Amino acid sequence: AQRVTQPEKLLSVFKGAPVELKCNYSYSGSPELFWYVQYSRQRLQLLLRHISRESIKGFTADLNKGETSFHLKKPFAQEEDSAMYYCALSGGSNYKLTFGKGTLLTVNP
Amino acid sequence: GAVVSQHPSRVICKSGTSVKIECRSLDFQATTMFWYRQFPKQSLMLMATSNEGSKATYEQGVEKDKFLINHASLTLSTLTVTSAHPEDSSFYICSAMDPRNSYEQYFGPGTRLTVT
Repeated sequence: AQRVTQPEKLLSVFKGAPVELKCNYSYSGSPELFWYVQYSRQRLQLLLRHISRESIKGFTADLNKGETSFHLKKPFAQEEDSAMYYCALSGGSNYKLTFGKGTLLTVNP
Repeated sequence: GAVVSQHPSRVICKSGTSVKIECRSLDFQATTMFWYRQFPKQSLMLMATSNEGSKATYEQGVEKDKFLINHASLTLSTLTVTSAHPEDSSFYICSAMDPRNSYEQYFGPGTRLTVT
């Protein structure tokens, strides 16, 4: 069975501070990991996926297979980063996604 | 980027009636779409995988006779909640995979269903 754990429901930081949203996963094979973001009153959208190794809006995430983690990081948070962030996992060839419960990030001015 | 629409965005129906929700990929063809359910302040839970031209694949615990899925064309999947009850009230979200973009899933805006 595949499982995604986001231990923090809420995370609050000040503008310009570093931010890290934690994500741990459980999967017996080789997973593909994603971070999705949902801004207020908007639909869910892909922020980044581990295979592309891109930095989107200043966010990065590294897949650590030893720790089964895929934490999302940004060195300097901006107010516009305030949103709900979901970590998700896809295993196998069926492309099905398993989502974590999400972390609501608030960046204060 | 790829766009997925859902209709209606909000629907209220009476107990015992059925309601249909549409999910459309507007600028790409999607052989596979997914239907999710999201309870308040909770995560998205995958209900089923909708495959064009074949039967949907339901996740464990999801009643296929209650949540009817039809994927009759490459741009449209429908979810029909049959004999709705108040406990079916939820936010239903669809996504569609874009084969042009490494099968990335693009999400619809969601449909808020309230059963009275």
